[in-house]
Amino acid sequence: AQSVAQPEDQVNVAEGNPLTVKCTYSVSGNPYLFWYVQYPNRGLQFLLKYITGDNLVKGSYGFEAEFNKSQTSFHLKKPSALVSDSALYFCAVRDRNNYGQNFVFGPGTRLSVLP
Amino acid sequence: ETGVTQTPRHLVMGMTNKKSLKCEQHLGHNAMYWYKQSAKKPLELMFVYNFKEQTENNSVPSRFSPECPNSSHLFLHLHTLQPEDSALYLCASSQGEASGSLRTDTQYFGPGTRLTVL
Repeated sequence: AQSVAQPEDQVNVAEGNPLTVKCTYSVSGNPYLFWYVQYPNRGLQFLLKYITGDNLVKGSYGFEAEFNKSQTSFHLKKPSALVSDSALYFCAVRDRNNYGQNFVFGPGTRLSVLP
Repeated sequence: ETGVTQTPRHLVMGMTNKKSLKCEQHLGHNAMYWYKQSAKKPLELMFVYNFKEQTENNSVPSRFSPECPNSSHLFLHLHTLQPEDSALYLCASSQGEASGSLRTDTQYFGPGTRLTVL
């Protein structure tokens, strides 16, 4: 079975500082990994995904994430946080060897960027 | 906007009512999804349609009944719901594949319907 953990319910960071939102996963095979963001009263918006190739993936709004197979992690990062980045962030995984499986989402991490 | 619309945005219903949620995507996608988002719980996948065929039903109670008349529209019919069904219901779409695999698809979400069951 596949699963996703986001060990922090809440992350607080000062505007202008770097931010990291953590994600670890568990799949039986190799993963496809995704990050989504949810702003208040909105649906989820796609940020970036890792399918294959370079372990460092760059996405929307200056976000990036690094796939680390040995640590089974896919942490989301941004060099300089903005107040407008405050939102709920979801990591999701799919097992590339399991044909019929769909997304499993993590529980979400609430990011607060303080001015 | 993501190209996925949902109506209504808010719905309050009694346990004996019958109502339907509607989702429409304008992205030319072939796969559509229903998710349930409850407070303090991970996003739960409910149903998946790929090329109008239902491919996933994750042990959802029969009081939820999906319908996908074409690749652009998805409905969720509700009847005799319980208060614990109150949640945000999200629709999503993705490119889809005729082969059936959705593994690398990016999903595009609608804004959701906030459902309250009294």
